[in-house]
Amino acid sequence: SQQGEEDPQALSIQEGENATMNCSYKTSINNLQWYRQNSGRGLVHLILIRSNEREKHSGRLRVTLDTSKKSSSLLITASRAADTASYFCATDVTGDMRFGAGTRLTVKP
Amino acid sequence: DTEVTQTPKHLVMGMTNKKSLKCEQHMGHRAMYWYKQKAKKPPELMFVYSYEKLSINESVPSRFSPECPNSSLLNLHLHALQPEDSALYLCASSQEGGPRGETQYFGPGTRLLVL
Repeated sequence: SQQGEEDPQALSIQEGENATMNCSYKTSINNLQWYRQNSGRGLVHLILIRSNEREKHSGRLRVTLDTSKKSSSLLITASRAADTASYFCATDVTGDMRFGAGTRLTVKP
Repeated sequence: DTEVTQTPKHLVMGMTNKKSLKCEQHMGHRAMYWYKQKAKKPPELMFVYSYEKLSINESVPSRFSPECPNSSLLNLHLHALQPEDSALYLCASSQEGGPRGETQYFGPGTRLLVL
């Protein structure tokens, strides 16, 4: 069963624009991760943020975590056509990872 | 080597067939996972092996039978599947598993079609 809910379900932007995706979850977590999946392929880990962290950066990615609101956001700056993919948040509950519904991002050249 | 490999890439089977999916990693990881993903849905955890022992079974029907012969290999044996079992089956591995949270490395998946 899913732990997180993401919005928007789909997002379409132009190359160079920023993309923001949000994730909300239901129970207390140890950490939250973001993964990317290109169409019908395996998932690629993007970033992990622990419950005692509020913000984390990796290249063009910025992730925030608000444990009081049980929510996280993923910001992709200066998007590229190659960023077109589905993005999932995932939370770890007792060693089993649960994925959110995902946001389908389309970046138009 | 940070790669998780899965074979076959595609599999078509009838409801009376027996087949196996294979997953391999050489990163020295001690936790391995099977996920099932339907189209336009997130991956759903099926099984977790930690140190070659089954640690989590998410109430998966017995027609799916996992096996971990050694720390590098993970199999999923399939028998008497139903058409609704058609999906992308993903394998993943991580360093040790457990609740502290680890990056999981995913294979490309096996796309299964049950006729």
